[in-house]
Amino acid sequence: EADIYQTPRYLVIGTGKKITLECSQTMGHDKMYWYQQDPGMELHLIHYSYGVNSTEKGDLSSESTVSRIRTEHFPLTLESARPSHTSQYLCASSSDRKDQPQHFGDGTRLSIL
Amino acid sequence: GENVEQHPSTLSVQEGDSAVIKCTYSDSASNYFPWYKQELGKRPQLIIDIRSNVGEKKDQRIAVTLNKTAKHFSLHITETQPEDSAVYFCAAQTGGSYIPTFGRGTSLIVHP
Repeated sequence: EADIYQTPRYLVIGTGKKITLECSQTMGHDKMYWYQQDPGMELHLIHYSYGVNSTEKGDLSSESTVSRIRTEHFPLTLESARPSHTSQYLCASSSDRKDQPQHFGDGTRLSIL
Repeated sequence: GENVEQHPSTLSVQEGDSAVIKCTYSDSASNYFPWYKQELGKRPQLIIDIRSNVGEKKDQRIAVTLNKTAKHFSLHITETQPEDSAVYFCAAQTGGSYIPTFGRGTSLIVHP
């Protein structure tokens, strides 16, 4: 079944570590997004990509970076994690039509000690 | 840019009651309005959407209404059940963008 997959689901790690959050989709979508969300709270767009080699920053300033080398893969990297990065990170994708919904992954809940 | 206001932030109802969540948007070019439900610890999922050429859409116990003149749209849930308890997000999207502007969310609590 077509879906969007995120790993890991939970990550507890120390300050200063380099972290990569993985996101892959089998939806066949070109458009992919990263959101930051504190549990049950607002969704903040931090990065998006409209296709391979295309990445843009979102509305919320983030110290993370992203890459899009393959259509189905959109990883997010934090070079040096800090406690302020503690949050939930949701990956999403959407089709090429502009009046279509976003499809979300299960998220990665990140805790930086 | 687009701005979406969502009210109330918290809504508590008894099982069997109706629940209404309201959103207003600022950009008259918005033409797509999805609603997402996010249960505790789970991903947001689309539950219903409406496009600007339609005034109302129903799917079993849920319905969405759109008033383009007033720039507001609402989610109606009838005969609420405990499993309807979740955070609901509205969103508005213009014809020129792939990216929705989300409301801040409404936490719906249905008491058995």
